Amino acid sequence: AQSVTQLDSQVPVFEEAPVELRCNYSSSVSVYLFWYVQYPNQGLQLLLKYLSGSTLVKGINGFEAEFNKSQTSFHLRKPSVHISDTAEYFCAVSGGGGNKLTFGTGTQLKVEL
Amino acid sequence: DTGVSQDPRHKITKRGQNVTFRCDPISEHNRLYWYRQTLGQGPEFLTYFQNEAQLEKSRLLSDRFSAERPKGSFSTLEIQRTEQGDSAMYLCASSPRLAGNVADTQYFGPGTRLTVL
Repeated sequence: AQSVTQLDSQVPVFEEAPVELRCNYSSSVSVYLFWYVQYPNQGLQLLLKYLSGSTLVKGINGFEAEFNKSQTSFHLRKPSVHISDTAEYFCAVSGGGGNKLTFGTGTQLKVEL
Repeated sequence: DTGVSQDPRHKITKRGQNVTFRCDPISEHNRLYWYRQTLGQGPEFLTYFQNEAQLEKSRLLSDRFSAERPKGSFSTLEIQRTEQGDSAMYLCASSPRLAGNVADTQYFGPGTRLTVL
């Protein structure tokens, strides 16, 4: 069985400040890790993914994440946020047959002026 | 590439009625997934198809729920005798299947928001 824990339900941050959204996972098999963003009343858009190789993954809109196997974490970071980054962010894990995604409960990022 | 589309975007129904949602995946994507998302939660897996075969169903998918994917193209999700607890956003996603069962990106549609009165 797989599970994902997003430790922060809400993260307020000022514009141009750095941000880190935390994600921890558990799995009994090799995993693939994803971060998705969801804007209000829209579907999910992929930010970045880790399948294998380099543990530092760069995604769209200036986001990056680092896979840490020993700490079972996949935290999302951005050095300088913009108002337009205000959205809900979901960490997800897949593995095993079918590659269905198991999502965390999400982190609401609110960027303030 | 037109993306994943879902229809309708919104559905309001009365308890006890049947509803059906449609999902059109990205063409040539042979995997199609259904998820359900309730307020304040992440999406939860319901079921998935590889081509026309339904290969896995979550225990969340009670016998009132049925999904089909005839001819391996679009898919429908039907809920019979709707209950207020069925109110949620129903998301569809599609992905290509890579060799070796490596996970590839799932592309999500905009969702169908169901409200059961």
